[in-house]
Amino acid sequence: GESVGLHLPTLSVQEGDNSIINCAYSNSASDYFIWYKQESGKGPQFIIDIRSNMDKRQGQRVTVLLNKTVKHLSLQIAATQPGDSAVYFCAENMGGGSQGNLIFGKGTKLSVKP
Amino acid sequence: DGGITQSPKYLFRKEGQNVTLSCEQNLNHDAMYWYRQDPGQGLRLIYYSQIVNDFQKGDIAEGYSVSREKKESFPLTVTSAQKNPTAFYLCASSTTSIGEQFFGPGTRLTVL
Repeated sequence: GESVGLHLPTLSVQEGDNSIINCAYSNSASDYFIWYKQESGKGPQFIIDIRSNMDKRQGQRVTVLLNKTVKHLSLQIAATQPGDSAVYFCAENMGGGSQGNLIFGKGTKLSVKP
Repeated sequence: DGGITQSPKYLFRKEGQNVTLSCEQNLNHDAMYWYRQDPGQGLRLIYYSQIVNDFQKGDIAEGYSVSREKKESFPLTVTSAQKNPTAFYLCASSTTSIGEQFFGPGTRLTVL
């Protein structure tokens, strides 16, 4: 079946550097994508989302890029801080009337070295 | 404060016992969801409900049951038929249109 996946399961960066977390999706009908951050033992927190009619969206220190041609999604975190250490999940809404149902990837663990 | 709550945070049960996990939201969201998360894994959908008195099975519904008698509440029962119930359970809610899901803090269930 079609699924959301991640290229890198773990990522270690130096504090202050930029981080890039990647995600591949396989369902061309997906029309909405979200990035979540999950700290250990807690529920996922919304970071940023993007609809399929956009290719870039910026938030505070975060940018999501969507490349529909190659079905690729990325999350860029500027000036990574120790508090950014967490597992990051991408999720897609497969559209077609699924009405909010999201398919989640396995996640990438981001470790920030001081 | 608006939000979604789950209780308890930790739950221990003996094998063969049914257990019910609570999920409450005051966000006025129509849709609610239950996910299971195993170590190092993503979230897998157990059940979801888009409106009161209606719910649908997700990808891994076997051994679980739900009810949606009130808009604010979506309790999940883990029955003795669930072969491997020890996991982290997450509840979420959203509006019915495409948009983000808001997650609760989770309940960690351990079956002894």
